[in-house]
Amino acid sequence: DTGVSQDPRHKITKRGQNVTFRCDPISEHNRLYWYRQTLGQGPEFLTYFQNEAQLEKSRLLSDRFSAERPKGSFSTLEIQRTEQGDSAMYLCASSLARQGYEQYFGPGTRLTVT
Amino acid sequence: QKEVEQNSGPLSVPEGAIASLNCTYSDRGSQSFFWYRQYSGKSPELIMFIYSNGDKEDGRFTAQLNKASQYVSLLIRDSQPSDSATYLCAVFLNDYKLSFGAGTTVTVRA
Repeated sequence: DTGVSQDPRHKITKRGQNVTFRCDPISEHNRLYWYRQTLGQGPEFLTYFQNEAQLEKSRLLSDRFSAERPKGSFSTLEIQRTEQGDSAMYLCASSLARQGYEQYFGPGTRLTVT
Repeated sequence: QKEVEQNSGPLSVPEGAIASLNCTYSDRGSQSFFWYRQYSGKSPELIMFIYSNGDKEDGRFTAQLNKASQYVSLLIRDSQPSDSATYLCAVFLNDYKLSFGAGTTVTVRA
C-alpha cells in the first residue's frame, strides 16, 4: 500500500512530556500537511510543506509545536511540554502541488495527555 | 463567522431512503468544495468534489453547488447501513488548506 502512513497510531503521555510524530506521504506527493482534529469537530489546519520548505503555519501552532520535513520526504511534528488541551487526533495529508485541493489523509495519531 | 458550517445532526434515515446533508461557506471567492466521509476512529476519506454550479453525480452520491447562495449539499441515495458515518464538508482556501465544517453524523437504520 502506498498511501500516507503515520506513526505511532496512538500515544499516551503525561503532561509536560515531549512527543514526536512521524508522517510518510504518498511517494510522488511534494506537499505535506498537518491537521488536528478534536472530538466533534472537523480537522483544523496546522501547517504545510512544499518539498522541504514550511510555507504556512496556523496561529493554532503555538511555539511548543515544531514541524520539519528535512529532505522533502517524511515529516515530523514535535510537541514540547504537552498540555491536556493537546489531546487530539493529529492527521497528516499529502498532495501534488498542482492539485493541492486533492489531499489524501493518513490514519492519524491519537494523542492522549494525562 | 466560521468559514464552513454544517447542520450538526445527527441525521437518522431508514435503509433505502435519501440522506440530505447541507453546508454553507463564508468566502464568496471559494472555488473548490469537497465532501469527506469519516468513520468513527478513522481518518477522513474523500468521496466527492465539485467546482461548478449544479449537480455532480457519482454512484449513489450527488453533490450540489450553488455559488450565489454559498451552499453545498450532498445527497446519498438508497442509503445503506455502511453509509453510517460523519460527513465533513470542506472548502479549499488560499491554494493550500482545506477548511472543514464540524461534520454531520448520519445513522442509517436497517
